[in-house]
Amino acid sequence: GNSVTQMEGPVTLSEEAFLTINCTYTATGYPSLFWYVQYPGEGLQLLLKATKADDKGSNKGFEATYRKETTSFHLEKGSVQVSDSAVYFCALPVSGSARQLTFGSGTQLTVLP
Amino acid sequence: DAGITQSPRHKVTETGTPVTLRCHQTENHRYMYWYRQDPGHGLRLIHYSYGVKDTDKGEVSDGYSVSRSKTEDFLLTLESATSSQTSVYFCAIRIGTGEHEQYFGPGTRLTVT
Repeated sequence: GNSVTQMEGPVTLSEEAFLTINCTYTATGYPSLFWYVQYPGEGLQLLLKATKADDKGSNKGFEATYRKETTSFHLEKGSVQVSDSAVYFCALPVSGSARQLTFGSGTQLTVLP
Repeated sequence: DAGITQSPRHKVTETGTPVTLRCHQTENHRYMYWYRQDPGHGLRLIHYSYGVKDTDKGEVSDGYSVSRSKTEDFLLTLESATSSQTSVYFCAIRIGTGEHEQYFGPGTRLTVT
């Protein structure tokens, strides 16, 4: 079935550094792909999505490109801020069930001033 | 804001007692989900609902039951709480049938002593 493998953390960066969080997937067909963010003490929030191959999702300075050749959906940001400190999750629909999502294990990002 | 609230937000209970968590949505969406989040396990689906009185099991349903007697409310019950059920519980909704993304509530932190 569909699954996602996410870069293990934690990741610690200085403010204004470049961020990459790796996500690779295994899927039947070309399902939508998602990045979620969870700030301390809060629920997950949808950060961005891509619905088909070669799509680029973007939001709040974050970007991720749906690459079918490498089965990847890496999250990037050119210049991180302290306020970006959070846990980031990659996700995609469960195969055979568009009703459900399967999530990666999450990557903790800490940005230092 | 997807209009999702969870109650209670925090609860401490003793082993063997019943516990019910409530998820409430304000927009009459058909799909609702219950997840638990634990360190090292990421986010795992407990149960989900696709309509009033229509529910199905997720990955970790043992020890949990759910009910949905109204569109807006989805209840998660631990019939006899155990320490292994200490976790943070999130409710989510899926908006529409054409999209797969889910929107999460703020979470309930449950401690079973």
